[in-house]
Amino acid sequence: DAGVTQSPTHLIKTRGQQVTLRCSPISGHKSVSWYQQVLGQGPQFIFQYYEKEERGRGNFPDRFSARQFPNYSSELNVNALLLGDSALYLCASSLFAGGLDETQYFGPGTRLLVL
Amino acid sequence: DQQVKQNSPSLSVQEGRISILNCDYTNSMFDYFLWYKKYPAEGPTFLISISSIKDKNEDGRFTVFLNKSAKHLSLHIVPSQPGDSAVYFCAASTSGTYKYIFGTGTRLKVLA
Repeated sequence: DAGVTQSPTHLIKTRGQQVTLRCSPISGHKSVSWYQQVLGQGPQFIFQYYEKEERGRGNFPDRFSARQFPNYSSELNVNALLLGDSALYLCASSLFAGGLDETQYFGPGTRLLVL
Repeated sequence: DQQVKQNSPSLSVQEGRISILNCDYTNSMFDYFLWYKKYPAEGPTFLISISSIKDKNEDGRFTVFLNKSAKHLSLHIVPSQPGDSAVYFCAASTSGTYKYIFGTGTRLKVLA
């Protein structure tokens, strides 16, 4: 079975532009979470979606938005890009959202560079 | 406020010896803990987890220990292999919530 897939793998944008990142969860998983990892830090939680509804949001500005589709894939959108948005964006999937002892499985990430 | 801390940014171990990676947490509501391994240019790979009702979980060469009173967990790798060289992240969550809190990672280097 395929794991979590993300596209694109790399992206270069300029300040002020908008970007859309895509994620397909493991087959059968209904929840997708998004994390941002900057160099030297651990992943920071951005969003979780379950059954197309937002279940949680981290401490990120409104420039960040996401959605989940009926096939459980997801998109993360970032508007008005800043230099500080340069990071590895990770998508993780899990069967449910916030269940007991629930494990999230991560995709390879999308490396975003903002110039 | 860093709720999950990995105080050792790096660790070097000889091949065949034991690697011990440590993680401390401050939030007593955490009840599920995980370790992930990350190679450069890849996403984190799930290694092993432990529920707060246990104090030890083993999977092959990997063992995670949880000391709830000390709010401390550790990952033991025995024997260490060069392929184990990677960055290791510990993560914690609370059942019923939706997010993991990660530490800053420990870079393990296993020397041949």
